[in-house]
Amino acid sequence: ETGVTQTPRHLVMGMTNKKSLKCEQHLGHNAMYWYKQSAKKPLELMFVYSLEERVENNSVPSRFSPECPNSSHLFLHLHTLQPEDSALYLCASSQLQGSGTDTQYFGPGTRLTVL
Amino acid sequence: GQNIDQPTEMTATEGAIVQINCTYQTSGFNGLFWYQQHAGEAPTFLSYNVLDGLEEKGRFSSFLSRSKGYSYLLLKELQMKDSASYLCALMDSNYQLIWGAGTKLIIKP
Repeated sequence: ETGVTQTPRHLVMGMTNKKSLKCEQHLGHNAMYWYKQSAKKPLELMFVYSLEERVENNSVPSRFSPECPNSSHLFLHLHTLQPEDSALYLCASSQLQGSGTDTQYFGPGTRLTVL
Repeated sequence: GQNIDQPTEMTATEGAIVQINCTYQTSGFNGLFWYQQHAGEAPTFLSYNVLDGLEEKGRFSSFLSRSKGYSYLLLKELQMKDSASYLCALMDSNYQLIWGAGTKLIIKP
């Protein structure tokens, strides 16, 4: 399944580094999402974009900065992260955010480790 | 507020049947989803229920009772490849998914 791709798959960074995560969807969807998945915890929604406009920002620290240049691409820019930010970062896309039957399709995630 | 509960881990035998329960509390409801996630992989969509009752899809079925705030995922004829985490997610009044922590299902031969 290559509908939603994410790069890199693994990333190790120091607290002073700046890096970016990339997500690309090939499904013709109009909405894209960033989630954080930590061990034994529920998926946490970070950001939602619908038609390239941010519609939700769930009180995420400013050290995470999203960018959605078009409906197929989504980035998450990272800077001055903390060790507790280490997690699996998942990207998802869906046809139309705001619909009850809207199903989200996920990428494989980026495993981030902050030293 | 909203809350979703599902068991942390379950074990079942190959060829058997297992039921994974999910209970929730919410003020707004637009459906309930089940996803499967193998270790190190993306969650993949299994089912969606918005009306009460049972939805059957091959070996997997999902049930919803809105009045009880309860859903279950039923897996029949278990195969080793069914070893995975199963995530329950509620779509709230803002059409956002609220996720449970997932149930890790271990299948033994």
